[in-house]
Amino acid sequence: SYELTQPPSVSVSPGQTASLTCSGDKLGDRYACWYQQRPGQSPVLVIYQDTQRPSGIPERFSGSNSGNTATLTISGAQPMDEADYYCQAWGSSTVVFGGGTKLTVL
Amino acid sequence: QVQLQESGPGLVKPSETLSLTCTVSGGSVNNYYWSWIRQPPGKGLQWIGYVYHSGVTNYYPSLKSRVTISLDTSRNQLSLRLSSVTAADTAVYYCARPYSGTSYDTFDVWGQGTMVTVSS
Repeated sequence: SYELTQPPSVSVSPGQTASLTCSGDKLGDRYACWYQQRPGQSPVLVIYQDTQRPSGIPERFSGSNSGNTATLTISGAQPMDEADYYCQAWGSSTVVFGGGTKLTVL
Repeated sequence: QVQLQESGPGLVKPSETLSLTCTVSGGSVNNYYWSWIRQPPGKGLQWIGYVYHSGVTNYYPSLKSRVTISLDTSRNQLSLRLSSVTAADTAVYYCARPYSGTSYDTFDVWGQGTMVTVSS
C-alpha cells in the first residue's frame, strides 16, 4: 500500500518561513494536497494539485511537489498558522493521508 | 454554499454496528464521490471509503469487510455502516466532498464531524 511520511513536528518563530515536507514513493508523479487542522476543528484544504490555493487561503501558503517530496511552505508564519497539517494523495486506488505535522509558531 | 452535517449515535457497544448519516444542504449529492474519513482521538486522518451516485463504492482495504457506504439521492444524504466495531473504531467521523466532480480526493468541503465512542 502507498504511504506518505511527514515529520511529527516543526517549530518556527513568527515571521519566519515554515517548510513542511511529505515523502512518498514517486510522489511527484501524482498530485498532492494539504490540509490545515486547528484543535477541535475540521480540516481545511490549503493547497491542492501541488501548488494551487483555494479561494480564501492567504498567499503566504504555497506548495511544490517533485521527486519523492511534496512541500508546504508558509512564508512569514503567523501565530494563527499554528495547527496540524496533513498531506494527502491518491495511491494504490485509495485516498492516503500522511501522519500529520504539528506546526508550532512561537 | 454546500454544507455537510453528520449525525448518529455517539456511543456504540463493541461487536455492534456503527451507523452514521451525513446530510448535504446547499447542493446535490449527484455527480460527486462522497467520502467518509475518521480521526481517532489524538491521531491522524484515515480515509474509510467513497460512494458515487451511480452506486460505485471504494473502501480502504483493511476496513472493506466491515464497511458499507451508500447514498440516498432523494434525501440528499450519505450513510456509513461499520460492523463488528471495537474500541479501535472510536474516532471523530467526517463526511467530505472533493473539490471537483471528477476527483476521488482533495476535499474542500467537510462536515463538522461527529464523535463515536465504542464502549460497553
